[in-house]
Amino acid sequence: DTGVSQDPRHKITKRGQNVTFRCDPISEHNRLYWYRQTLGQGPEFLTYFQNEAQLEKSRLLSDRFSAERPKGSFSTLEIQRTEQGDSAMYLCASSSSGGLRTEAFFGQGTRLTVV
Amino acid sequence: AQSVTQPDIHITVSEGASLELRCNYSYGATPYLFWYVQSPGQGLQLLLKYFSGDTLVQGIKGFEAEFKRSQSSFNLRKPSVHWSDAAEYFCAVAVDDKIIFGKGTRLHILP
Repeated sequence: DTGVSQDPRHKITKRGQNVTFRCDPISEHNRLYWYRQTLGQGPEFLTYFQNEAQLEKSRLLSDRFSAERPKGSFSTLEIQRTEQGDSAMYLCASSSSGGLRTEAFFGQGTRLTVV
Repeated sequence: AQSVTQPDIHITVSEGASLELRCNYSYGATPYLFWYVQSPGQGLQLLLKYFSGDTLVQGIKGFEAEFKRSQSSFNLRKPSVHWSDAAEYFCAVAVDDKIIFGKGTRLHILP
């Protein structure tokens, strides 16, 4: 197992464009989390899935953001009509069914720059 | 609201010196607490975690942390730092199946 994989690692987009990020969790991990990290800040929770069910969404996740995990395996995070304020590192993490009593493993993130 | 405070944005220590990074949490119940490290270009790596039991927790890379309920603190320590310890360190608390992170402390190592 190669750990949590995120693609792409870097994305530069023009304001107003849509972008989609992918996260492949550690196989058999049924929990998957998305976080956003801006410069000088800690990661901020966006949303999480248990299998294919999206169980919680942060108020940070505006209507322009949507996340899916259609078959309970990989997940996508889409941002529509990107704004400069969306520029950040988007992190994905996964954990087993023990939830946070077991370790959450993080990917290396996707760095988004909106110009 | 549940939160984590890391009062030091930057810490500089000499190689070989001891280290203590401070963390205070705000949470009503018994907290699940974590320390993560993030090196440039790397993902977040778990150093250690506290759920219950012994209040002194040992982690990887020679780090330890002590949970003090009376002070609402979970400070990270290392007796002798190495140049490779230069990184950003995040204290975090688990709340309702998600992890809430502090803003981080950047550790600089002087040769």
